[in-house]
Amino acid sequence: AQSVTQPDIHITVSEGASLELRCNYSYGATPYLFWYVQSPGQGLQLLLKYFSGDTLVQGIKGFEAEFKRSQSSFNLRKPSVHWSDAAEYFCAVDVALGTYKYIFGTGTRLKVLA
Amino acid sequence: EAGVVQSPRYKIIEKKQPVAFWCNPISGHNTLYWYLQNLGQGPELLIRYENEEAVDDSQLPKDRFSAERLKGVDSTLKIQPAELGDSAVYLCASSPGRNNEQFFGPGTRLTVL
Repeated sequence: AQSVTQPDIHITVSEGASLELRCNYSYGATPYLFWYVQSPGQGLQLLLKYFSGDTLVQGIKGFEAEFKRSQSSFNLRKPSVHWSDAAEYFCAVDVALGTYKYIFGTGTRLKVLA
Repeated sequence: EAGVVQSPRYKIIEKKQPVAFWCNPISGHNTLYWYLQNLGQGPELLIRYENEEAVDDSQLPKDRFSAERLKGVDSTLKIQPAELGDSAVYLCASSPGRNNEQFFGPGTRLTVL
């Protein structure tokens, strides 16, 4: 069965430090992959997506993610975290390729220390 | 451009009472989604509409949940009767078409006492 795993429930980093949020998926083919961010009281906002091609994708707010087929991973990175990045981050897989029928991971809550 | 609007933002009811949530999608978006998000979990799809037709409702608990999207614009999700386990955030999203990015509303947080 398709699944998405985000192994880190909580992550705390200092402002200015680098960030990596992990995402692993289980799927029979190369999936469409997404990262969303959810700030308190806000809806989910798309950070970036991967469909095919270059395995390093750039997103909004200085985020990037790398698709690694051999590891079934799609980790999200940011070289320097800002206090405003504190939020919950969700990885998602489109399990019906192209129809945006998502399976979401359980999320990683990011805390940023001043 | 206005985003997806949901109301109410918060709702507290007693168990066995009915409750309804309303969603106004982005203008021109034909596809509308309702999701359930439990605490500490990612959203789970309840139902997807293409215009006024429910094309994917396999995850909707039809014994107590119902949804409608009259005229293919606004949508209402109803629970009757509500149970304690229904306490969650109910998210609405819309997209220009089923092969496009979804835009999410802020959600309705339901508490069932």
